[in-house]
Amino acid sequence: GDSVTQMEGPVTLSEEAFLTINCTYTATGYPSLFWYVQYPGEGLQLLLKATKADDKGSNKGFEATYRKETTSFHLEKGSVQVSDSAVYFCALSRPAGGTSYGKLTFGQGTILTVHP
Amino acid sequence: DAGVTQSPTHLIKTRGQQVTLRCSPISGHKSVSWYQQVLGQGPQFIFQYYEKEERGRGNFPDRFSARQFPNYSSELNVNALLLGDSALYLCASSFGPPGNYGYTFGSGTRLTVV
Repeated sequence: GDSVTQMEGPVTLSEEAFLTINCTYTATGYPSLFWYVQYPGEGLQLLLKATKADDKGSNKGFEATYRKETTSFHLEKGSVQVSDSAVYFCALSRPAGGTSYGKLTFGQGTILTVHP
Repeated sequence: DAGVTQSPTHLIKTRGQQVTLRCSPISGHKSVSWYQQVLGQGPQFIFQYYEKEERGRGNFPDRFSARQFPNYSSELNVNALLLGDSALYLCASSFGPPGNYGYTFGSGTRLTVV
């Protein structure tokens, strides 16, 4: 079945450092890929998405590129801020059609803490 | 516009009891999904409804059930609660057929079973 694996955490960085959170997936076909962010005490917010190979999703300085050949969707940001401290989830969903379309399969999450 | 609203925000139940969680999707959204998030883990898919019909079910026991109403709101019911049902229950809504549109999540209902 479908699965998503994220790098082991937590990740602790100083403000303005470069961020990479690795994400790899296992799925047949061409799933859509997502990064969600969860701030303390809140639900999930969509950070960015990509729906086909080589697409780059971007939002708020975060970027991720859909790499079909390596089945990866790594999250990057050039300069993190204290306000980026949160839990980040990589996820995939299947396109319309079939019995499991639309279901989101999440990774285990990566806790990011940014210090001033 | 209001986002996805869930109620209650917190509740405490005793083992063996039953609980009903409620979700109101964003106005105009016709698809609602439910996820369970155990502390320290990613959300796990429970149910998906579109146009008031069940379109997907995750690997959860029959103690879990759900429905979607004509106004597209939804309820998740859990019977015979176990300690392991303690989790954050998230509702997500989408405009159209699941998979074609992005999801917006609510802030969740924190269920504690004692």
